[in-house]
Amino acid sequence: GAVVSQHPSRVICKSGTSVKIECRSLDFQATTMFWYRQFPKQSLMLMATSNEGSKATYEQGVEKDKFLINHASLTLSTLTVTSAHPEDSSFYICSARGLTSGDPYEQYFGPGTRLTVT
Amino acid sequence: GDSVTQMEGPVTLSEEAFLTINCTYTATGYPSLFWYVQYPGEGLQLLLKATKADDKGSNKGFEATYRKETTSFHLEKGSVQVSDSAVYFCALRGYGGSQGNLIFGKGTKLSVKP
Repeated sequence: GAVVSQHPSRVICKSGTSVKIECRSLDFQATTMFWYRQFPKQSLMLMATSNEGSKATYEQGVEKDKFLINHASLTLSTLTVTSAHPEDSSFYICSARGLTSGDPYEQYFGPGTRLTVT
Repeated sequence: GDSVTQMEGPVTLSEEAFLTINCTYTATGYPSLFWYVQYPGEGLQLLLKATKADDKGSNKGFEATYRKETTSFHLEKGSVQVSDSAVYFCALRGYGGSQGNLIFGKGTKLSVKP
């Protein structure tokens, strides 16, 4: 149980376009979802935290107008990278926690999305 | 604030060698401690965890003991396999205003040679 999926797994887009990444909790209700960014050979950087039905809380230095996060249901959160540029190329990972049979604070991670902006 | 420091890699070992990856933390109160593993091109998987002092987490032959006196949570495995090649992240989860968010170390890349 406690499976999180992401779609797409890889995406290539042109500079200036927007791209949407989906994060779904498949077998539990995710009251909180997290979005991370991972640069090559580096650790995960938390970008934002979202609670279902509320606005996302962004970490310092993350542009909220560039990285739009929507958590409209208990099983789906989306990250939209607007007007993407090559420097936005990265590996984006979501995680979720919520109503499971185990630890309510445990985070379950998605497989990640590789974004390449050309 | 809370932080995690883990040994820098990469670590290269021969198959069946003993593995230790050091991890120390700074936190107020009594955090929960975790080791996550990331295989190439994939997301993170929880490897093991410990929620209180002297607890030992174990999974797939890996072990780590929560040592409050040394604020450490070192990862060990007695005999590594090629399939253990991955990046390992130590993390803590505190309390309070962070909503129990995870704080990660920088990761240690392990390569196991046949």
